[in-house]
Amino acid sequence: GAVVSQHPSWVICKSGTSVKIECRSLDFQATTMFWYRQFPKQSLMLMATSNEGSKATYEQGVEKDKFLINHASLTLSTLTVTSAHPEDSSFYICRTLCNEQFFGPGTRLTVL
Amino acid sequence: TQLLEQSPQFLSIQEGENLTVYCNSSSVFSSLQWYRQEPGEGPVLLVTVVTGGEVKKLKRLTFQFGDARKDSSLHITAAQPGDTGLYLCAGALTGNQFYFGTGTSLTVIP
Repeated sequence: GAVVSQHPSWVICKSGTSVKIECRSLDFQATTMFWYRQFPKQSLMLMATSNEGSKATYEQGVEKDKFLINHASLTLSTLTVTSAHPEDSSFYICRTLCNEQFFGPGTRLTVL
Repeated sequence: TQLLEQSPQFLSIQEGENLTVYCNSSSVFSSLQWYRQEPGEGPVLLVTVVTGGEVKKLKRLTFQFGDARKDSSLHITAAQPGDTGLYLCAGALTGNQFYFGTGTSLTVIP
């Protein structure tokens, strides 16, 4: 079946570092990718919707210059957390569609 | 912005007890889904309901979609420790954009 992968699965970085998270659809083409952020024991908050070949649409309150999204191909979308700070520490999950929804396994970001 | 409010937020019960989780909104959804999530993993889809008043049963889990398609409930009968997890409802407003509920963290004590 269709699979979505995320890389890295976890990352620890120093404050001020930029971190790139990749979300890949392994055996299907994903024209749309959704990025979510989740804090411990809380729900998923939609951050942005990325469409292949066009600019991402960000949810209210999400800084587009802080969270850079690139969807340059039909199998890859990336989320870059620029100049990460401890408050950016969270679980980031991507979601896409191929007749049904598929979630990535998530990326745990810890900013020291 | 979270359009869907879940209650309770936290629930700790003994094995064998029954429980109901509620998912409420003032918005009308074209469909609604329920997920269960383990720590450090992505959510796993349990069910999708699309028709107002619809009831779906999956073994010990019963899902109901409100008549007005604004709310939903999840009822678990005879809860087991394996049911422990974070339960999330998610509603689709338009197209493929889903908004998740606030979440219910369930702990079933053996």
